[in-house]
Amino acid sequence: DVKVTQSSRYLVKRTGEKVFLECVQDMDHENMFWYRQDPGLGLRLIYFSYDVKMKEKGDIPEGYSVSREKKERFSLILESASTNQTSMYLCASSFDTQYFGPGTRLTVL
Amino acid sequence: LAKTTQPISMDSYEGQEVNITCSHNNIATNDYITWYQQFPSQGPRFIIQGYKTKVTNEVASLFIPADRKSSTLSLPRVSLSDTAVYYCLVGDHNNAGNMLTFGGGTRLMVKP
Repeated sequence: DVKVTQSSRYLVKRTGEKVFLECVQDMDHENMFWYRQDPGLGLRLIYFSYDVKMKEKGDIPEGYSVSREKKERFSLILESASTNQTSMYLCASSFDTQYFGPGTRLTVL
Repeated sequence: LAKTTQPISMDSYEGQEVNITCSHNNIATNDYITWYQQFPSQGPRFIIQGYKTKVTNEVASLFIPADRKSSTLSLPRVSLSDTAVYYCLVGDHNNAGNMLTFGGGTRLMVKP
């Protein structure tokens, strides 16, 4: 079975803090994705990566950056967290279909 | 990117068959159709994928007409645990940048 894990299920941070969300997959997938999900807005793509050290902006990259130093790991970085980044963050990896992690519910106070 | 349109919500009763239709009028030749299920506070879970005609697995069936401008997810004999949001996704799974647009999803409520 494909396994996608995320470093935390719940996270509380303060405005202005730097936040790292980690995602690890164990299926040697080349493609990895970061989404955020908000009520009424569905899943929105932040960034994706199709290879190590490669990244592409999604629909809402502002305020975020990513890092893909190893194939199995894709990190989402909030350089200076803001309250409007309070959300559920979902990581996925794929060869063809996307497999999702359990999500990280981030609250920025 | 192919945009999808689904009903916002549906209600059903235990034991009934549920059919959820997704419209994707500008589907491209290389695009596949994939359905996901999502429970609250969890990531979406892959249900089924198809390109044309009919695909069936142990969970659901997917019906795709010849013009491929729509697809129907069929859940046989639903139970209370099938209450979830169902997403239709259209894209070319050989191109990571083209498999990314989730629609709003259909919230299925199964009642006893």
